[in-house]
Amino acid sequence: DAGVTQSPTHLIKTRGQHVTLRCSPISGHKSVSWYQQVLGQGPQFIFQYYEKEERGRGNFPDRFSARQFPNYSSELNVNALLLGDSALYLCASSLETGASNQPQHFGDGTRLSIL
Amino acid sequence: AQSVTQPDIHITVSEGASLELRCNYSYGATPYLFWYVQSPGQGLQLLLKYFSGDTLVQGIKGFEAEFKRSQSSFNLRKPSVHWSDAAEYFCAVASGTYKYIFGTGTRLKVLA
Repeated sequence: DAGVTQSPTHLIKTRGQHVTLRCSPISGHKSVSWYQQVLGQGPQFIFQYYEKEERGRGNFPDRFSARQFPNYSSELNVNALLLGDSALYLCASSLETGASNQPQHFGDGTRLSIL
Repeated sequence: AQSVTQPDIHITVSEGASLELRCNYSYGATPYLFWYVQSPGQGLQLLLKYFSGDTLVQGIKGFEAEFKRSQSSFNLRKPSVHWSDAAEYFCAVASGTYKYIFGTGTRLKVLA
């Protein structure tokens, strides 16, 4: 079975541009979460979506937004890119919302570089 | 506030030696704890998880971890390290119902 798939794998943008990152969860998983991992740090929670609704939001500015589609895939959008947005963006899926008993399974990430 | 601390940024061990990676958490309720491994340029792979019950949990690749509530710790162990275990290891706690809080990671180097 396919794991969590993310596209693109790498992306280079310039400051002020907009970017869209995509994620397809494991088949049967209904919940998708997004994390930002800056070099040398652990992942930081951005969003969780379940059944197309936002269930949680981390401490990120409004330039970050996301949505989930009927097939449970998801997009992360970042507007007005800053140099500090350079990071590995990880998508994770789980069967249901409720992290307490649902392990999250991660994709390989999208490496975003801002010039 | 919930937090996870991994005190060791880097650890170097010889192949065949035993390994222990430390993780301390701060969480008010019963924690749900995880260890993930990340190879360079890749995502996170779940090694093991603790939800309840037996405090010694077994994971993949020969790893195990022990939950000690009195010490707020969830240390990862392996009796004999292989060169392929070189990677970065992250401890995480499930916070509330939707997010994980990760530590800053421990980078493991294995000497031949």
